[in-house]
Parts: sequence; structure tokens; C-alpha cells
Amino acid sequence: SQLAEENPWALSVHEGESVTVNCSYKTSITALQWYRQKSGEGPAQLILIRSNEREKRNGRLRATLDTSSQSSSLSITATRCEDTAVYFCATLANTDKVVFGTGTRLQVSP
Amino acid sequence: EAAVTQSPRSKVAVTGGKVTLSCHQTNNHDYMYWYRQDTGHGLRLIHYSYVADSTEKGDIPDGYKASRPSQENFSLILELASLSQTAVYFCASSDWGGNNYAEQFFGPGTRLTVL
Repeated sequence: SQLAEENPWALSVHEGESVTVNCSYKTSITALQWYRQKSGEGPAQLILIRSNEREKRNGRLRATLDTSSQSSSLSITATRCEDTAVYFCATLANTDKVVFGTGTRLQVSP
Repeated sequence: EAAVTQSPRSKVAVTGGKVTLSCHQTNNHDYMYWYRQDTGHGLRLIHYSYVADSTEKGDIPDGYKASRPSQENFSLILELASLSQTAVYFCASSDWGGNNYAEQFFGPGTRLTVL
């Protein structure tokens, strides 16, 4: 089973609406990253939130981290068509490896 | 100018044939990674390297070899390609390993189809 998992599997919203993607993980972590992958491209990091942080913002993006429930969320406000992508969480622990979830597919329509 | 480039961008290979995927980075990063992406599995780590002339096994190394001849270049080699290796392959680079909060910079991916 996946060590990091996003939900829901897919979301569809209209431009201007807000949306939240959730991530649950199963191991002790040092940090969690949120990545976005647009069609035909590689993933790109949006936010990194460390285990001692509860919230991080980047423009229209806001990430939260709850280490007690081993969960994180990524919220996007005022969505745009160009936000259409797959959103991944990725966990960092005391290893050289990063563990990626399977992603949430977000469709933003005009 | 892209910092991580991959070649080829797509390839069709025959079962049992040899396939080499190449990755080049201009980030001056020590770490490089190879992932495969399949629907429903997200990104899975195949091999990685933190220094030239050395490679490490990731989570799914079977059927793959890797080569890091220089800091800038990292290759993934399929000696005997199989149908199950049909996937999109991504290369990435980062300053440090996962426990040091380093962002990974990904290439555009190589779509490999094995027939």
C-alpha cells in the first residue's frame, strides 16, 4: 500500500472557486512537499512544509500539516484554468528518498 | 533553458531489446534520481545517485541498471526490455537527499512503450 496517499482521486471546480486536496501518510516525517504536474510535464514543487510547521503559504496556495494525525492539506483559492493538473504530496524522512503519493487530478473549468 | 533534460522524449522498443534513457542536468546538483510513473502508482523510485561513478538502488530496481559517469549525466538502462516496463520515466536532480528538505527538479519525462 502507498505510504502517502491523496484524496479525493479527482476534483472538478469552476474558475474562481476554492479547492482543497488532502494527503495522509504512514511514517514519521521530517517534511512534506506538495508538487503539481501539468499534462506532459514533470512535477514541480509548490510548497515544502517542515514537521515543526503547521501552515505554509505561497500566493494562492496554503498548505497545512498535522503530524499527530499524519495528514496534510493543500488549498487553492481563486482557482484558474491553468491550475488544472495532478497534485501530489511527497514525504521526506531520515533517508535519501522521497515518497510520492498517487495524486489528485484537478480540473478547473471556465 | 531547462535545467533537467531527458532524451529521447519518447521511444518504442521491442521486447528483449536494450534501451538507454539519458538525463542531463545543469543545476550543479549532487543527487539525481530515476522514477517511473504508472497510472495508479504515482512516482516510484528506480535508482538514484549522490555522486559520480556511484549509484544506489531505489524501491523498484529489478530489471534496471543505472550509470552516473559525471555529475551532470545519469542514465537508466534496460538490458532486456519487457512489456511491464512500458511507462513514463522521469529524471530529477536535487541538492541533497530527502532528509535535508531539498526540492527535486524534474525533467519533462520519457514515454517508453515496449512492444
